[in-house]
Amino acid sequence: SQKIEQNSEALNIQEGKTATLTCNYTNYSPAYLQWYRQDPGRGPVFLLLIRENEKEKRKERLKVTFDTTLKQSLFHITASQPADSATYLCAPFGNNRLAFGKGNQVVVIP
Amino acid sequence: DSGVTQTPKHLITATGQRVTLRCSPRSGDLSVYWYQQSLDQGLQFLIHYYNGEERAKGNILERFSAQQFPDLHSELNLSSLELGDSALYFCASSVVVGQLTDTQYFGPGTRLTVL
Repeated sequence: SQKIEQNSEALNIQEGKTATLTCNYTNYSPAYLQWYRQDPGRGPVFLLLIRENEKEKRKERLKVTFDTTLKQSLFHITASQPADSATYLCAPFGNNRLAFGKGNQVVVIP
Repeated sequence: DSGVTQTPKHLITATGQRVTLRCSPRSGDLSVYWYQQSLDQGLQFLIHYYNGEERAKGNILERFSAQQFPDLHSELNLSSLELGDSALYFCASSVVVGQLTDTQYFGPGTRLTVL
């Protein structure tokens, strides 16, 4: 069956450092993959989309990579700030739908 | 503000009851998606409507049903409610269906508590 794995343990990181999150998927061949941010009790907010033929995508302090051979996407937040504290969801698109991972919480310590 | 509205924000009801959750998509969006999010399960896809027609079904129980109306708003009906149905229910909308730029815009959610 299809699986999306994100680290269930929160990532605690010092302000100014780079946070790196991993998303692994199995039994998927997604045409693209999206990353969303979710704050407690609120709806997810779209951050970035990366297509299967793209290796890397950047938006301001965010960077996403997509390795279809490893079936993995990495999400980086550079120069992290306390306002970046949230849960980040990986969402590969396959079978005509987005499927969401359970998310990885990031806590940026001032 | 994503432009997607959901009502009500909170709903408290008893087991066995029936409730209706409402969603209005962003102006111009034809696709509406429903998701259920509980603490242990993450965001689970329930159903997708495009311009009034059902396009995809996920892990939606038979006790649940949805529809999208001509004005594109959507309703999710949950019946014979059980304690385990307590969750956050999100609606999302997007411009197109199944295309490479299928970015979804989420509403604020409805928190359902079944007592």
